[in-house]
Amino acid sequence: KNQVEQSPQSLIILEGKNCTLQCNYTVSPFSNLRWYKQDTGRGPVSLTIMTFSENTKSNGRYTATLDADTKQSSLHITASQLSDSASYICVVSGYGGSQGNLIFGKGTKLSVKP
Amino acid sequence: SAVISQKPSRDICQRGTSLTIQCQVDSQVTMMFWYRQQPGQSLTLIATANQGSEATYESGFVIDKFPISRPNLTFSTLTVSNMSPEDSSIYLCSVHQTGAAEAFFGQGTRLTVV
Repeated sequence: KNQVEQSPQSLIILEGKNCTLQCNYTVSPFSNLRWYKQDTGRGPVSLTIMTFSENTKSNGRYTATLDADTKQSSLHITASQLSDSASYICVVSGYGGSQGNLIFGKGTKLSVKP
Repeated sequence: SAVISQKPSRDICQRGTSLTIQCQVDSQVTMMFWYRQQPGQSLTLIATANQGSEATYESGFVIDKFPISRPNLTFSTLTVSNMSPEDSSIYLCSVHQTGAAEAFFGQGTRLTVV
């Protein structure tokens, strides 16, 4: 069964600290993996998209890694800010990459405290 | 990129009534997608709205409960019919432009049924 599992479910960190969110998936065949940020009351916004051949991709203070062999991805947030408080969703796209094949994780809820 | 305007942003409705959610995109797209996000859960695809043809529903979702319109390439509506408290969720529309891996989401409609 195609699944995307994220950990931890929730996380509280102090402003300025780093953190790493994890994503494991069993989706096969694999097309790409995406990380989205969803602020409360808003729709998800894309942070990164990685294909099979990409190991790491950065977007400002966000760095995503992908190990397609072990089917694991991580999202590292550096020097966290209060505005980083949100849910982070890992999404894996199956064969063909069409949106109809998107498998969503439940997300990690990050709270950054001053 | 695509900018999606979704409304209403939130509503509180009486059970047994219906609510129509609108989604407007700033560019023409072939397919639009409707998702439900229940509290603490991942996004679940309800249906794919195709211009000029009937919407394609995912398992567990039926047209009588979630009728969809797609009158042109920039607009779609989702109606939640005969609502019950179990329909309380966030509903999101999304688009995926042909040839692009990126998916864009509206800001969501937070529905509470009382």
